[in-house]
Amino acid sequence: GEEVAQTPKHLVRGEGQKAKLYCAPIKGHSYVFWYQQVLKNEFKFLISFQNENVFDETGMPKERFSAKCLPNSPCSLEIQATKLEDSAVYFCASSRLESGNTIYFGEGSWLTVV
Amino acid sequence: LAKTTQPISMDSYEGQEVNITCSHNNIATNDYITWYQQFPSQGPRFIIQGYKTKVTNEVASLFIPADRKSSTLSLPRVSLSDTAVYYCLVGDGNAGNMLTFGGGTRLMVKP
Repeated sequence: GEEVAQTPKHLVRGEGQKAKLYCAPIKGHSYVFWYQQVLKNEFKFLISFQNENVFDETGMPKERFSAKCLPNSPCSLEIQATKLEDSAVYFCASSRLESGNTIYFGEGSWLTVV
Repeated sequence: LAKTTQPISMDSYEGQEVNITCSHNNIATNDYITWYQQFPSQGPRFIIQGYKTKVTNEVASLFIPADRKSSTLSLPRVSLSDTAVYYCLVGDGNAGNMLTFGGGTRLMVKP
């Protein structure tokens, strides 16, 4: 598709429950990124993929967060045992190899942990 | 990674030209400067990217002085719909490398 598609748009989870978010990158884009946006516009880079391979996971809280990009499937970001501080908007973005570092964002998935 | 500094907020009126300046004193030789726009409840949207001098597209212009330690996003004749947060980012031009977002500038356009 021509847009980065993220689902679900909204997700509410109780503390300790699992949350799973999905992202379909723009067709033909080789790179996928996940960012977390919390209050005051702060963005935190989580992880990036080059096709199905992890490219950079320096921002990933590894204890409870995991992510995958498998062939012919949407990419996913999963949070095990959610905590209140995981409440945020999670943005997925994608880019082409030829476009340098210009990345295109989806509309985000709003996670609320109660 | 080069850190960016922008004004937290700016006010303007419809029809005016708005210039938002970003400081990036530690920009590296390979770094590009990219600006994104974000409306409430939406993902950031790419506006413009440049390396040096001036870049112009249908939406904005980007002015980069010779030392590249700052850049200015220029929005001609803003309208109410330009009210948004504008982010200045600096990063190398290699695909796959993550971009680091600063705090952004909240632009309020008034009638």
